[in-house]
Amino acid sequence: QVQLVESGGGVVQPGRSLRLSCAASGFTFSSYAMHWVRQAPGKGLEWVAFISYDGSNKYYADSVKGRFTISRDNSKNTLYLQMNSLRVEDTAVYYCTREVYGFDIWGQGTMVTVSS
Amino acid sequence: QAGLTQPPSVSKGLRQTATLTCTGNSNNVGNQGAAWLQQHQGHPPKLLSYTNNNRPSGISERLSASRSGNTASLIITGLQPEDEADYYCSAWDSSLSAWVFGGGTKLTVL
Repeated sequence: QVQLVESGGGVVQPGRSLRLSCAASGFTFSSYAMHWVRQAPGKGLEWVAFISYDGSNKYYADSVKGRFTISRDNSKNTLYLQMNSLRVEDTAVYYCTREVYGFDIWGQGTMVTVSS
Repeated sequence: QAGLTQPPSVSKGLRQTATLTCTGNSNNVGNQGAAWLQQHQGHPPKLLSYTNNNRPSGISERLSASRSGNTASLIITGLQPEDEADYYCSAWDSSLSAWVFGGGTKLTVL
C-alpha cells in the first residue's frame, strides 16, 4: 500500500546537525513533489520545505532557510531533510508528505528534540 | 511567514452542522483556494478536501468545502463523535513562495 516512513529523529544539542529520511513505497515516488511539515509539541502544523518531483525546484520556510536542505534520491525512493545549526525551537515531530493539490499522504512522523 | 486565520475552537452538538472557517488573502486562499486536513490526537493529519470542494476517495460526503473571496469554509453535517478532532487549512502563497497553514480549529462534538 501507499506508505511513507520517516526515520532519523532523536535528541540533539543546539547547534548540531541531523538528517531525516523518508522512505516511500506503493507509488511512483519520482512522479510526485514532496514536502516536510513539522508540529511542535501541543502546537499546530508548520510547513518546512518543498521539493519538486525531479528535485529541480525547492522552497523553504523563512524559519529554516539557510539551515535546512531538502533533497531526494528517486533511485532509492527516499526523501531527505538535512538540518544544520539546530535550535531549541526546531523541536517537533517532522512529517514527510506527498503533494497532490494538497498534502494527500503522510508518514507517521519522527520526533526531533533539540536540547542541551 | 504569515499564516491563515482559523478560530481556535468550535463546539456543536451531535448530528448538528459545523462550519469551520479559514481566512487568508488574495495571494493564498483568494488565489488558489485552500485544502483541509483533519488530525486526531496522536495521529498524522489526513487530507479531507483540496482546491476547495474536491474530496479524496474515502472521505465522507458529510464533508464539503467552499470559498468566498479570501475565506474558505469546511462544512461538516450530521456531526458524529469521530468528527471531534483538530482541523487545519493550508494554501500556497504566491507572494511568499511558500505553503501556509492555519493555526487549527479544535472541533468538539457535544
